[in-house]
Amino acid sequence: DADVTQTPRNRITKTGKRIMLECSQTKGHDRMYWYRQDPGLGLRLIYYSFDVKDINKGEISDGYSVSRQAQAKFSLSLESAIPNQTALYFCATSRRDRGQETQYFGPGTRLLVL
Amino acid sequence: AQTVTQSQPEMSVQEAETVTLSCTYDTSENNYYLFWYKQPPSRQMILVIRQEAYKQQNATENRFSVNFQKAAKSFSLKISDSQLGDTAMYFCAFINNAGNMLTFGGGTRLMVKP
Repeated sequence: DADVTQTPRNRITKTGKRIMLECSQTKGHDRMYWYRQDPGLGLRLIYYSFDVKDINKGEISDGYSVSRQAQAKFSLSLESAIPNQTALYFCATSRRDRGQETQYFGPGTRLLVL
Repeated sequence: AQTVTQSQPEMSVQEAETVTLSCTYDTSENNYYLFWYKQPPSRQMILVIRQEAYKQQNATENRFSVNFQKAAKSFSLKISDSQLGDTAMYFCAFINNAGNMLTFGGGTRLMVKP
């Protein structure tokens, strides 16, 4: 089984709809992240969480919110989707320990907002 | 803020030959980590290799090795004995010691030709 899973893998929605993307991990990592990737670009950080009670904005948090329901689960919500949120979304995890900053990524969720 | 630059949008190499992908970065920090990630058509983000800035020795992983030049802020990836399965987008990435944000370059699309 994959260590980091994302649901759904693909999603089409309409402008103004609320949607949630979910991420689960079995790696036992305490840190979790949400990124988005636009065509021809690298990933950009939306939100990150270092533990269940910790939520931090990343580079491009406007229009998004997150929830860390448990150590293993981190959800990303688009309260009112707009077409420029069409992108590939990745969840990632990492450990706290020094020397363990490597982030491991889920398979991605492709979102299309019409 | 950190920036990561990959100056080669596309590259190609013949199967079994060697190719080097370039990456430069800008930071004022002394301790940090550098990564190369591979993104094949499946869109999964796969860690290829990592380098700790406090280590002078260049990292190697089988056919993959890096040339880390800290003073020049350069971090190139060498792929030896290229295989068709190496065809992918390659992203260089940087993370600071706090481990809160992975900054990606724009990517290099590598095509391995038979």
